[in-house]
Amino acid sequence: AQSVTQLDSQVPVFEEAPVELRCNYSSSVSVYLFWYVQYPNQGLQLLLKYLSGSTLVKGINGFEAEFNKSQTSFHLRKPSVHISDTAEYFCAVTQWGAQKLVFGQGTRLTINP
Amino acid sequence: NAGVTQTPKFRVLKTGQSMTLLCAQDMNHEYMYWYRQDPGMGLRLIHYSVGEGTTAKGEVPDGYNVSRLKKQNFLLGLESAAPSQTSVYFCASSPDTYNEQFFGPGTRLTVL
Repeated sequence: AQSVTQLDSQVPVFEEAPVELRCNYSSSVSVYLFWYVQYPNQGLQLLLKYLSGSTLVKGINGFEAEFNKSQTSFHLRKPSVHISDTAEYFCAVTQWGAQKLVFGQGTRLTINP
Repeated sequence: NAGVTQTPKFRVLKTGQSMTLLCAQDMNHEYMYWYRQDPGMGLRLIHYSVGEGTTAKGEVPDGYNVSRLKKQNFLLGLESAAPSQTSVYFCASSPDTYNEQFFGPGTRLTVL
């Protein structure tokens, strides 16, 4: 069965600092990976996804993620964060033939001025 | 193009009462999902549907029922609400598993 682990429940960083949000998955077959963002009191929206091809995926708002099959990881990065990036971030995985996504527990990113 | 809408936005129930949450999408998506979000537990899938007239259980289906009589609507029912069902409920839709899920704004439900 597939599962997702987000290694940090909360990540505080200073504005303009780089950030990495960690995500590890487990699956015995080919996977498809997603990062979603949830701003306060809103639904989730897609940041980026990996289906195939280049392992470095670029998303919206300057975020990118790297698929590492040997490490079974899909970490999210941004070189310089803004106050507006304060949100909860969710990693999710599915696999070929599955009908649903499995979400991680979320990482709350807090940006300090 | 409204995307995914949810009705109502807020609701307070007493233990034992019933209610139905409505999700509607105007993107002609085949797949629809109901999640609940609780602090520290991420999103947990309650039920989902891969097409009109189909439904399937997710991770936490107990105490909930669903129906998908029309492609654009996905209803979530609570027959006898319990305090453990206090949560924020999100509906989502997608064309298939491998594409973006579009989420509604959520329904905040409190069961007293």
